[in-house]
Amino acid sequence: DAKTTQPPSMDCAEGRAANLPCNHSTISGNEYVYWYRQIHSQGPQYIIHGLKNNETNEMASLIITEDRKSSTLILPHATLRDTAVYYCIVRVEGEGNFGNEKLTFGTGTRLTIIP
Amino acid sequence: EAQVTQNPRYLITVTGKKLTVTCSQNMNHEYMSWYRQDPGLGLRQIYYSMNVEVTDKGDVPEGYKVSRKEKRNFPLILESPSPNQTSLYFCASSLSSGRNEQYFGPGTRLTVT
Repeated sequence: DAKTTQPPSMDCAEGRAANLPCNHSTISGNEYVYWYRQIHSQGPQYIIHGLKNNETNEMASLIITEDRKSSTLILPHATLRDTAVYYCIVRVEGEGNFGNEKLTFGTGTRLTIIP
Repeated sequence: EAQVTQNPRYLITVTGKKLTVTCSQNMNHEYMSWYRQDPGLGLRQIYYSMNVEVTDKGDVPEGYKVSRKEKRNFPLILESPSPNQTSLYFCASSLSSGRNEQYFGPGTRLTVT
């Protein structure tokens, strides 16, 4: 799986958009970009994923650059409940994992929403 | 509500006393997995299961056992717990192998004295 680089921490004002960057310059053509978050000591929570097109769901938007070497997770209207550690994961989907869907979380970005 | 449940949520036990942490999902998922999370070490996979009666070791299987007799349940068994198994444990599931949208349980905080 490709290595990812994220800033260790970020602050965002409540109600503003939180933009979390992730660099994955060694990403392969068949690797997806996934985002998870973990609120303190709770189970990690899936947010969104994409291959090359921008994606949006009820939680967030994912913007992937054209060369796919970086991406940005956008939380459009951050609330205090969005304070968490956010993890960007890059990996293949399907048979490339030989049946084991192990997720490898890096150190992530600790996002703090400021009231 | 679609969810992964774990029990117990908190457990304090003594060295050598066998224990089981249960994990159950109600989403008819084929794939299930156990992780432990320790400060500075992140999430490490213990065991995983691609389907009923199919289990395999993850990165840190020593001291643990699992079974998958039914699709919905994937218990984690510590036959003889030791203090180095004090950790926060998470169960996860996904629809099948090849689908990386995984759903995690709330966690079980285990302390072995």
